Amino acid sequence: SYVLTQPPSVSVAPGMTARLSCGGMNIGTKSVNWYQLKPGQAPLVVISKNVDRPSGIPERFSGSNSGNTATLIISRVEAGDEADYYCQVWHSSGDHRVVFGGGTKLTVL
Amino acid sequence: EVQLVESGGGLVKPGGSLRLSCAASGFTFRSYSMNWVRQPPGKGLEWLSSISSSTTFIYYAVSVKGRFTISRDNAKNSLYLQMNSLRAEDTAIYYCVRDRSGDYELDSWGQGTLVTVSS
Repeated sequence: SYVLTQPPSVSVAPGMTARLSCGGMNIGTKSVNWYQLKPGQAPLVVISKNVDRPSGIPERFSGSNSGNTATLIISRVEAGDEADYYCQVWHSSGDHRVVFGGGTKLTVL
Repeated sequence: EVQLVESGGGLVKPGGSLRLSCAASGFTFRSYSMNWVRQPPGKGLEWLSSISSSTTFIYYAVSVKGRFTISRDNAKNSLYLQMNSLRAEDTAIYYCVRDRSGDYELDSWGQGTLVTVSS
């Protein structure tokens, strides 16, 4: 089965840049989506298809994907960015599956 | 505005059944594939099942295959998840999720409904 690996936690000071990684075998050949989860709120897609930013998502959010690592980049981090972030791919091999990473808790110091 | 509203969660005993519903509005429901995703307490997201717009293609995660059944009623703009033989590990928030483009870009999520399996 395909596995996506995310660091459990990342901490960053306000105004700095956060880089959240998502590792997977040849993930650079796949389309990666990123989701933000805050307590009591519906999950929100912040990056789709590796680099696309949905309407309403600040330009501070961007993505990259190459080789074995996809990365969500949050520039000029704000307190309101504190949340859990999950990467996700569609891996169609054997069982038809949607795979999520384990999630990263972003803490704004 | 896209709205997805789940209902049907609650407390159920191990081995019991529950049927979740999701009422969709603000978009042409019959044109989109839909999914169920869950999040156990303190844990990460887990995709459970997907159904194509015309119900031609249905897929399940290994963890629920044979126990859960996804269905939809396009005339009622509704998505369903029939859950049988429930286990303690099925305790989670269950989300109804729209697939924007047919390749699992999950662009709209409901607020979720809590299912608790406990004796």
